[in-house]
Amino acid sequence: DSGVTQTPKHLITATGQRVTLRCSPRSGDLSVYWYQQSLDQGLQFLIQYYNGEERAKGNILERFSAQQFPDLHSELNLSSLELGDSALYFCASSEQGGPRETQYFGPGTRLLVL
Amino acid sequence: GNSVTQMEGPVTLSEEAFLTINCTYTATGYPSLFWYVQYPGEGLQLLLKATKADDKGSNKGFEATYRKETTSFHLEKGSVQVSDSAVYFCALSDQRNSGNTPLVFGKGTRLSVIA
Repeated sequence: DSGVTQTPKHLITATGQRVTLRCSPRSGDLSVYWYQQSLDQGLQFLIQYYNGEERAKGNILERFSAQQFPDLHSELNLSSLELGDSALYFCASSEQGGPRETQYFGPGTRLLVL
Repeated sequence: GNSVTQMEGPVTLSEEAFLTINCTYTATGYPSLFWYVQYPGEGLQLLLKATKADDKGSNKGFEATYRKETTSFHLEKGSVQVSDSAVYFCALSDQRNSGNTPLVFGKGTRLSVIA
């Protein structure tokens, strides 16, 4: 158990809909990352937050947005969903967001868009 | 930009065989290097890491040495077990000017160990 929790575990929805994925980092970790894992693209970095502020953006679509709240939990919002958004979405956390730190991954949310 | 290339799988080995999974990287700065493992139906777990050249990371019988001259971080284990069956990801984290440090992953190598 990494200490990172993600809800829900599974999500099935239809094209055009909007969903929210939630992540609680390990106790004491200030930085949260979101990654997308799909068969064709592999593991791709989406976005990083540090203590409530956006720190880095990766291959995140404009239809996707995220935020980190004062209690440090984070939410990833996916809107106008398309079939190709079906994937496993991971949240990870680290203490300060430094390059040498281990990122601890949650169990993931499996999203299926029908 | 930064990238990681690791050997394509799947790799199938008999129990107690020697394992090597090759990983090479391209980075503009001084990256830290990681191996993560993903067991079936689970999230990623850190297996080992190395943060500077010539460092050796090790855990659970797995080892990898950070080789700056060959930009490599190959994963090795002397004697694999059935329980090592999983997908292995090589990754790097490179501090950029703004201090952001996402992981860049290789495509993963699926290892199956048969008894």
